[in-house]
Amino acid sequence: AQSVTQLGSHVSVSEGALVLLRCNYSSSVPPYLFWYVQYPNQGLQLLLKYTTGATLVKGINGFEAEFKKSETSFHLTKPSAHMSDAAEYFCAVSDRGNFNKFYFGSGTKLNVKP
Amino acid sequence: KAGVTQTPRYLIKTRGQQVTLSCSPISGHRSVSWYQQTPGQGLQFLFEYFSETQRNKGNFPGRFSGRQFSNSRSEMNVSTLELGDSALYLCASSPDRNNEQFFGPGTRLTVL
Repeated sequence: AQSVTQLGSHVSVSEGALVLLRCNYSSSVPPYLFWYVQYPNQGLQLLLKYTTGATLVKGINGFEAEFKKSETSFHLTKPSAHMSDAAEYFCAVSDRGNFNKFYFGSGTKLNVKP
Repeated sequence: KAGVTQTPRYLIKTRGQQVTLSCSPISGHRSVSWYQQTPGQGLQFLFEYFSETQRNKGNFPGRFSGRQFSNSRSEMNVSTLELGDSALYLCASSPDRNNEQFFGPGTRLTVL
């Protein structure tokens, strides 16, 4: 089974600073990769996904992520944090061929300081 | 298009009871997946239904079951509730195997 590791359960940045949330997966065969955001008492919203093609993926709200096969990573970045980015972020993977069975990381809570 | 809807949003039950949660997918979506979210275990896949058939299953005991109807609406049932079943249960729908799942707001189940 896949495993997904998100380094840092809590990350704190200042407004306007770079956001970097880390995600590593375990599979030797590159899976499909996703980042979701969850606001309190809400479901998950898709930020971006990588399935094939260009390894730098742009998502909503200014977020982007880069798939690095050699590092089995899919880190999420945003050049300039906004207060509204404060939420919990989840990295997820699904095996190629088992599309709708997602394995999630443990989540990273992002705090944005004014 | 309306999003994924889940009912009820909040539920309180006692140990030993059973519970049924409902999920209505986005119109046209035929795949419905269920996930359990707890502070200790995080987000865990329960099962996926497609065209009324269970297509994928996670590692949960048989007390957790589900079904899907011909209109793609899905229900999950948990029998003989335990305290550890307290969680946020999320439903996600997808058109098919296209790797884009859309999540509902969840049902918060509290077992006393």
